[in-house]
Amino acid sequence: SAVISQKPSRDICQRGTSLTIQCQVDSQVTMMFWYRQQPGQSLTLIATANQGSEATYESGFVIDKFPISRPNLTFSTLTVSNMSPEDSSIYLCSVEEGGRKKYEQFFGPGTRLTVL
Amino acid sequence: RKEVEQDPGPFNVPEGATVAFNCTYSNSASQSFFWYRQDCRKEPKLLMSVYSSGNEDGRFTAQLNRASQYISLLIRDSKLSDSATYLCVVTNNAGNMLTFGGGTRLMVKP
Repeated sequence: SAVISQKPSRDICQRGTSLTIQCQVDSQVTMMFWYRQQPGQSLTLIATANQGSEATYESGFVIDKFPISRPNLTFSTLTVSNMSPEDSSIYLCSVEEGGRKKYEQFFGPGTRLTVL
Repeated sequence: RKEVEQDPGPFNVPEGATVAFNCTYSNSASQSFFWYRQDCRKEPKLLMSVYSSGNEDGRFTAQLNRASQYISLLIRDSKLSDSATYLCVVTNNAGNMLTFGGGTRLMVKP
């Protein structure tokens, strides 16, 4: 399966600031996704990021708060804007490889964000 | 009602035991089904897809009952290394959006 890396792996930020998380894949993929996993919770999809089009956001998530870029088929960024302590969470990107593994998603290692 | 429901556990079992996890889902038109495993402070990793006919991978057996909207995972001969949270995952009608259950925590003890 694809090798996925994320930067930073963790960060501690002050409220009101923004953080951009990078997701890099070692192969070209069409579908990339961003998830949030709050402490003790399961994963919630934030948005789907496809190259060449605007990201599609799930209910409860908006572009102003979580702008996403997808400049090519191997890279995406998620920005957490104007952060508050409620944004403290793990942010994970995932990819769908397609082909025989259609609908199977593989996850990056995650970015652990703490907002003070 | 949650879209994907799991018993959060924890399930505490001795090594060598057989343990089964269940999961129910609300969207009858869901296309694909998976079990993921998540270790503490790690990302989820795909354990296995779940097919209508049921499928087995070594000590792991997954079953799907579409009529009852129910998925199961059976682990035989539990190992200490099986200790993790097991996430039931269901896709939407188009198959391209994953919905995660809350996870079932398994602890295998010596």
